[in-house]
Formats: sequence, structure tokens, C-alpha cells
Amino acid sequence: AQSVTQPDIHITVSEGASLELRCNYSYGATPYLFWYVQSPGQGLQLLLKYFSGDTLVQGIKGFEAEFKRSQSSFNLRKPSVHWSDAAEYFCAVGEVTGRRALTFGSGTRLQVQP
Amino acid sequence: NAGVTQTPKFRILKIGQSMTLQCAQDMNHNYMYWYRQDPGMGLKLIYYSVGAGITDKGEVPNGYNVSRSTTEDFPLRLELAAPSQTSVYFCASNPTGESLSTEAFFGQGTRLTVV
Repeated sequence: AQSVTQPDIHITVSEGASLELRCNYSYGATPYLFWYVQSPGQGLQLLLKYFSGDTLVQGIKGFEAEFKRSQSSFNLRKPSVHWSDAAEYFCAVGEVTGRRALTFGSGTRLQVQP
Repeated sequence: NAGVTQTPKFRILKIGQSMTLQCAQDMNHNYMYWYRQDPGMGLKLIYYSVGAGITDKGEVPNGYNVSRSTTEDFPLRLELAAPSQTSVYFCASNPTGESLSTEAFFGQGTRLTVV
């Protein structure tokens, strides 16, 4: 069965600093990978996704992620964090066939200091 | 375009009560899902449906039931509510099975407390 690990429960960065959120996955084939963001009391918003092709994918709000098959990783990055980026971030792996459901990591809470 | 709509947004139930969480989507998606999110955890799949009349269990189905009589609606029924069902519930939908994208569209969630 597939699984997703987000090793950092909580990260604090200063506004304007760079950000990297880690994600490792386990899946039996080439995965579909996603990053979602959840603001307090809100639903999930898709930041970016990877299906195939270029391993560096661009998303909304200036985020990008790089798929590294050899490391089973899909880390999320942003060169300069804004205070409005404070939220919870979830990495997920999507099933390529069958029920096409998502398996989520436990999330990383990002706090941004002024 | 409303997307995925969940009602209610908040609910407090007493132990042993029952309720139905409503979910509707207007995107003509065949695939629909119910997830629950416990504090400090990611979302876990409760039930899913690949089309009207077809439902199946996910990883945490105990204490829940679903039905899918139309493409648009996918209600989640809680029978005999227990404190362990205190959670935030998310409904999601996915484009047709032929799509290469498994991008899910999420509702805003229902925050349920069982006391």
C-alpha cells in the first residue's frame, strides 16, 4: 500500500526567507504526486501536481516542487516566503488506477515570522 | 460554478445520535470521496464512489454509511455517533476515470463534535 511521510511537523521561517518542505512517498509504480495547502478553517487548495515529464513542476503562489525518483521524494520549495503563506501543507500520492483516491501525509504546519 | 458543496459546516452531536453529512458537486464528476481529518493527521479515506449506484469502503469505514443515487450527491451517514467520530469531514470529487488526472476537488469541510 502507498504511504506518504512528511518528517517535519512544524516549521518556522522568517518572511522573505526561502522554504523547503519535505515529502517522501512509497508507491509501487510511477506516482501521481500533489501538494495541497490548508488555511485555518478552510478546505484544501491544490498548489501543484506531478504526473509525468519534467520533474520540476511549478504551481500557484510561487511554489515549485521537484520529483526525485531515486530518493522517492517530492519536496516543495518557495524562494521567498510571504506572511500569507502561513498554513498547513499536505503532500499526497494519488492512485493511478482503480479508485484513484489520495493518500496524504500528516502535514507540515508553516509559521512565518515578521 | 459552485464546485463541491458540503453542509452543514459545523455540527455538535450527542453520543448515540445520528446525522447525515451532505455533499453535492456540479462538475459531473463520476468519482467522489469522503475523508476525515483528525487533529495533527492527514486525511483518511472513509468511503468512495466511482459512479451512481456504486460505493465501496476506504480505510476507515466503521460507523459510517454512504449512498450514491445520483452523480451529483454523495451523502455520508453517521449512525450512533461516538466521540471517536469527532473530526473534520471532507468530501471530494474527481473527473472521470478516463482522465489521467487524479486531481481531487475538495469541499470546505464539516467540523463535527460528538459529546
